[in-house]
Amino acid sequence: DQQVKQNSPSLSVQEGRISILNCDYTNSMFDYFLWYKKYPAEGPTFLISISSIKDKNEDGRFTVFLNKSAKHLSLHIVPSQPGDSAVYFCAASGNAGNMLTFGGGTRLMVKP
Amino acid sequence: GAGVSQSPSNKVTEKGKDVELRCDPISGHTALYWYRQSLGQGLEFLIYFQGNSAPDKSGLPSDRFSAERTGGSVSTLTIQRTQQEDSAVYLCASSLKLLAGGDTQYFGPGTRLTVL
Repeated sequence: DQQVKQNSPSLSVQEGRISILNCDYTNSMFDYFLWYKKYPAEGPTFLISISSIKDKNEDGRFTVFLNKSAKHLSLHIVPSQPGDSAVYFCAASGNAGNMLTFGGGTRLMVKP
Repeated sequence: GAGVSQSPSNKVTEKGKDVELRCDPISGHTALYWYRQSLGQGLEFLIYFQGNSAPDKSGLPSDRFSAERTGGSVSTLTIQRTQQEDSAVYLCASSLKLLAGGDTQYFGPGTRLTVL
């Protein structure tokens, strides 16, 4: 019973274009959402987060959108760069809870 | 300041042996978390510490797994009588555990455990 799902295991985009990574969740108690980037043999690196009281948060090239009614969030990277190539995880927590529930990850490949 | 550090970075052990994994959280972070990522799997929550106490141990897969945290800082995760299915990358994270609002967890590089 996956509470957080990333349905696309991989995504390939051209350098300079927009990358859109998607995430769906089922638990309506989740109130905080995060995106992490992970390179091989490294721990996840925090990218950006959004609280459920917002529908958009932007930080440089990264923007996260939250659609609570659809229980859907997305990460937009624009413009995409080859260094963005990594596995991206979305994660969620709720009720001032403690654990993060992670999606299965999407491997992003940005081609020069 | 320094990030979360973990040691060892790699550990190879024989089935049945005990192993200890160490985590040094970011200075000042009161909350500490252990996760693991098995091959081809997502990140799985194991245990959470607030200070030295562990209010949530719900993710520990069996009683062979235990963890402690002393001085509100360093934590060790111990796996007794290791099995091959324990092979995974064990990740530690820490956070400020704000009373309100979101709580961002910052991860260490992980310990890759291989049980032969």
